[in-house]
Amino acid sequence: EAGVTQSPTHLIKTRGQQATLRCSPISGHTSVYWYQQALGLGLQFLLWYDEGEERNRGNFPPRFSGRQFPNYSSELNVNALELEDSALYLCASSGWTGKGYTFGSGTRLTVV
Amino acid sequence: GQNIDQPTEMTATEGAIVQINCTYQTSGFNGLFWYQQHAGEAPTFLSYNVLDGLEEKGRFSSFLSRSKGYSYLLLKELQMKDSASYLCAVRELTGGGNKLTFGTGTQLKVEL
Repeated sequence: EAGVTQSPTHLIKTRGQQATLRCSPISGHTSVYWYQQALGLGLQFLLWYDEGEERNRGNFPPRFSGRQFPNYSSELNVNALELEDSALYLCASSGWTGKGYTFGSGTRLTVV
Repeated sequence: GQNIDQPTEMTATEGAIVQINCTYQTSGFNGLFWYQQHAGEAPTFLSYNVLDGLEEKGRFSSFLSRSKGYSYLLLKELQMKDSASYLCAVRELTGGGNKLTFGTGTQLKVEL
């Protein structure tokens, strides 16, 4: 079974630009979760999508947004990038049994 | 909301036993998870507790006391490869789904 896949692995953007990060969940998983992990900090919850709908949102400004497609893959968009957006962005998926997450390998976003 | 506390760093010797504690406060507890994260990699699932008691899985065990808002992860026969960050995460009944809130992680260093 293929795991959670994220692309790109690394992304370098300049301040003010937009970044788009992609995630494909494990086959059969309908929920996708996005987390931000800044250097030295814990995982901060960003967004949860299930069945194409945004179900919950963390304490992040509106320039962090996303969507989930009919095939359950998901996209995270970060507009008007700031230096402090530099972080590892992790996507995770879970099935309805909800015993926990399977994480993707992450996208390392660097804003210069 | 939730508040999750765990020590920032711990050091132990190869072959020894180490216990990593986690305390939490939540309005609607629905499970506690432990993840391992090596530097630059995605977190991987270690254990899950929803009822009080000890769950054993090979060299790793996890304990939960819901009345005390307390869990620990016990690692036996430590190996150098166990050097990693260990993340405690709590799932709440409110907010829905499988959303996890993570502690900031305990960086474990295993020495010879």
